[in-house]
Amino acid sequence: KAGVTQTPRYLIKTRGQQVTLSCSPISGHRSVSWYQQTPGQGLQFLFEYFSETQRNKGNFPGRFSGRQFSNSRSEMNVSTLELGDSALYLCASSLGPSGETYEQYFGPGTRLTVT
Amino acid sequence: GNSVTQMEGPVTLSEEAFLTINCTYTATGYPSLFWYVQYPGEGLQLLLKATKADDKGSNKGFEATYRKETTSFHLEKGSVQVSDSAVYFCALSSSGAGSYQLTFGKGTKLSVIP
Repeated sequence: KAGVTQTPRYLIKTRGQQVTLSCSPISGHRSVSWYQQTPGQGLQFLFEYFSETQRNKGNFPGRFSGRQFSNSRSEMNVSTLELGDSALYLCASSLGPSGETYEQYFGPGTRLTVT
Repeated sequence: GNSVTQMEGPVTLSEEAFLTINCTYTATGYPSLFWYVQYPGEGLQLLLKATKADDKGSNKGFEATYRKETTSFHLEKGSVQVSDSAVYFCALSSSGAGSYQLTFGKGTKLSVIP
């Protein structure tokens, strides 16, 4: 079974631009979560989607948004990029919440550099 | 809110040495606890987990026991190998809001030298 895939793997953008990152979950997984990883802040939760609905959102400004499609693929968008948005963005998929703890499986990440 | 505190790194050990990475947590309710490992240039891989008090998670020679009385989930391995060099993250998942977001510690970088 294929793992979580993220595209692109590397991205360089200029301050003020916007960017869209894509995540394809493991087949059959319906929940997708996004995390930002930086050396200073570590791993921080961005948001979680299940069945095309955002279930939870971390403490990030409105410039960070996401969506999930009917095939469970997810995208996240960052508008008006700032230098501090440079990070590794990780996507994780799981079967989906239904009262039990589901393991989250992570993709390799997208390395975003803002110049 | 939820939080995870793990020992600062980096940790450098000789091959076959004993490893302990401390992890303590603060959470409401009854969280599940995890250790993830991140090898250079890769995403996170689940190493082991425990879902209730006194559970012991184990995998690839690593172990951790869910201690509710001390709110701890320390990672141990009896004999490390060079291939264990990586960054290790302690994390918790609390489903209080019906969501399973993970709260991570800062990570501990382990280097094992031959």
